Amino acid sequence: GAGVSQSPRYKVAKRGQDVALRCDPISGHVSLFWYQQALGQGPEFLTYFQNEAQLDKSGLPSDRFFAERPEGSVSTLKIQRTQQEDSAVYLCASSKRARVVQGDKNIQYFGAGTRLSVL
Amino acid sequence: EDQVTQSPEALRLQEGESSSLNCSYTVSGLRGLFWYRQDPGKGPEFLFTLYSAGEEKEKERLKATLTKKESFLHITAPKPEDSATYLCAVLTQGGGSQGNLIFGKGTKLSVKP
Repeated sequence: GAGVSQSPRYKVAKRGQDVALRCDPISGHVSLFWYQQALGQGPEFLTYFQNEAQLDKSGLPSDRFFAERPEGSVSTLKIQRTQQEDSAVYLCASSKRARVVQGDKNIQYFGAGTRLSVL
Repeated sequence: EDQVTQSPEALRLQEGESSSLNCSYTVSGLRGLFWYRQDPGKGPEFLFTLYSAGEEKEKERLKATLTKKESFLHITAPKPEDSATYLCAVLTQGGGSQGNLIFGKGTKLSVKP
């Protein structure tokens, strides 16, 4: 596809429910990132994949958050036993390179996000 | 601790009234500074990337500059369609070789006709 695609665009969950958010990165992009954006704030890093390997999950707020990218393309962010504080927009981004190099290959391209509301 | 601070939080301009947005940063080693534009209900859209002090980049009415401590996004003769939230981010040394972006809170720009 032409850009990063995320689904669903909106998700309403009752507290305690499990949710799964999907990200389709730009074809051929090696790196994939998940960010969480609270209302009025900038995005905050959650986790990073290089192909199918999850190399950094330091931003995941609790063990209720789990992400996978089993075949190195599509990624799923799963939140178990959702809480009200999980309400936010979840953004996915992809970039072409695996390693940071000088130049534009480090650009992260973002999807439109999934807005999660936990009631 | 790596940190990005943007100012002002909100900026209201009249069409044609030029101004600048500020992004100050504290990082252990700058690997890149990025400007994004975000419209309501959409994801951040890439504008510029800067790597070294003194570097400048331009695109239409926007010009981004970088010093060792801060970056400016200059908007010349803005139009209403420039209204959006402008996000600044720095690329850090994260896990793995890629690193992750640390964002500021953004500056919400409104341009009135």
